[in-house]
Amino acid sequence: DAGVTQSPTHLIKTRGQQVTLRCSPKSGHDTVSWYQQALGQGPQFIFQYYEEEERQRGNFPDRFSGHQFPNYSSELNVNALLLGDSALYLCASSSRDQGVETQYFGPGTRLLVL
Amino acid sequence: AQTVTQSQPEMSVQEAETVTLSCTYDTSESNYYLFWYKQPPSRQMILVIRQEAYKQQNATENRFSVNFQKAAKSFSLKISDSQLGDTAMYFCAFCPDSGGGADGLTFGKGTHLIIQP
Repeated sequence: DAGVTQSPTHLIKTRGQQVTLRCSPKSGHDTVSWYQQALGQGPQFIFQYYEEEERQRGNFPDRFSGHQFPNYSSELNVNALLLGDSALYLCASSSRDQGVETQYFGPGTRLLVL
Repeated sequence: AQTVTQSQPEMSVQEAETVTLSCTYDTSESNYYLFWYKQPPSRQMILVIRQEAYKQQNATENRFSVNFQKAAKSFSLKISDSQLGDTAMYFCAFCPDSGGGADGLTFGKGTHLIIQP
């Protein structure tokens, strides 16, 4: 049973560029949440997707957007990158049937903005 | 909005000892869930234990148990017979019970636990 997978594992971008991160949920899960984890901090909730729609959003600007596909996989897009966007981006999946609150995390994508 | 506070930035114990990590939270919600996650140096966040606020019985998973005090808004994690592989960052997290709606987790800043041989 495959767990949550994310790609790429590492990424280096320059200020002003755009980036797309990808996530495949655990088998049987239909909900995907994205988190940003700055160095030495706990993860911060960006948004959650279910049925291809954004259901809830944390305190992040519109530069952060996402998408969920019919197979439940998801993308996180960040436009006009800032130095402060450098962080570990975590994807978590859960199931509406089994309890959407219990989220299982992927290994993350480390983004460095220069 | 809710907040989660972990007041111990770092703890160090000897292998086989018992250690307790503290977590307090603030919320106006009556129904919610609490979690402890472990993040080893490999950075994969692993779910350790889960507690429903409406259950008075404290959750237990093998060597890991919690002390949930709802009135005090306290949720500590006890690790018994600690092992070298327990070395990791430990995060306490809160999630409101929105009845199956959207639920983002709120995390504390973490406690770095070091198990010494």
